Amino acid sequence: GDSVTQMEGPVTLSEEAFLTINCTYTATGYPSLFWYVQYPGEGLQLLLKATKADDKGSNKGFEATYRKETTSFHLEKGSVQVSDSAVYFCASSDNYGQNFVFGPGTRLSVLP
Amino acid sequence: GAVVSQHPSRVICKSGTSVKIECRSLDFQATTMFWYRQFPKQSLMLMATSNEGSKATYEQGVEKDKFLINHASLTLSTLTVTSAHPEDSSFYICSARDRLGARYEQYFGPGTRLTVT
Repeated sequence: GDSVTQMEGPVTLSEEAFLTINCTYTATGYPSLFWYVQYPGEGLQLLLKATKADDKGSNKGFEATYRKETTSFHLEKGSVQVSDSAVYFCASSDNYGQNFVFGPGTRLSVLP
Repeated sequence: GAVVSQHPSRVICKSGTSVKIECRSLDFQATTMFWYRQFPKQSLMLMATSNEGSKATYEQGVEKDKFLINHASLTLSTLTVTSAHPEDSSFYICSARDRLGARYEQYFGPGTRLTVT
């Protein structure tokens, strides 16, 4: 079945450091790919998404590019802030908005 | 954008009682909604798919008689945890599916934290 793998962390960075969280997927067909962020005690918030190969999703300084050849969707940010501390989930779904598969989540802590 | 709400956001109940959690799509109609469960420091696991006007489809290992799902309208699905026990304590998240042109998108609610004492 479909699956999503991501580096589990935890990841600890200093403010203004560069962030990369790796995510790879296995799926039949051409899934949509997502990054969600979950702040402590809260629900999921969609951070960015990409629906086809070579698409780049971006939001709030975060970026991820849908790489079909490497089945990857790595999350990057050039300069993290303390407020970025949260858990980040990579996910995939089919084009019918079903069969959502989440990665295990990566906990990010950014220190001042 | 599409908004999904959940009520309550937090609930504490005594062991043996039942708890109902509501999931609403606020500005769109959702023929399909989903219920997920998240244990502390873990990822989301799909519990069931709720289709308006028909019986829910449960994932393997999820007790349908314990987690009752009702999707009686195009904007409301409810999850009732019957005879709750401490091991049912968890974060429950719903989502609703909306159609955007030729594609579908899932929108997630803010979650409900259930604590069973």
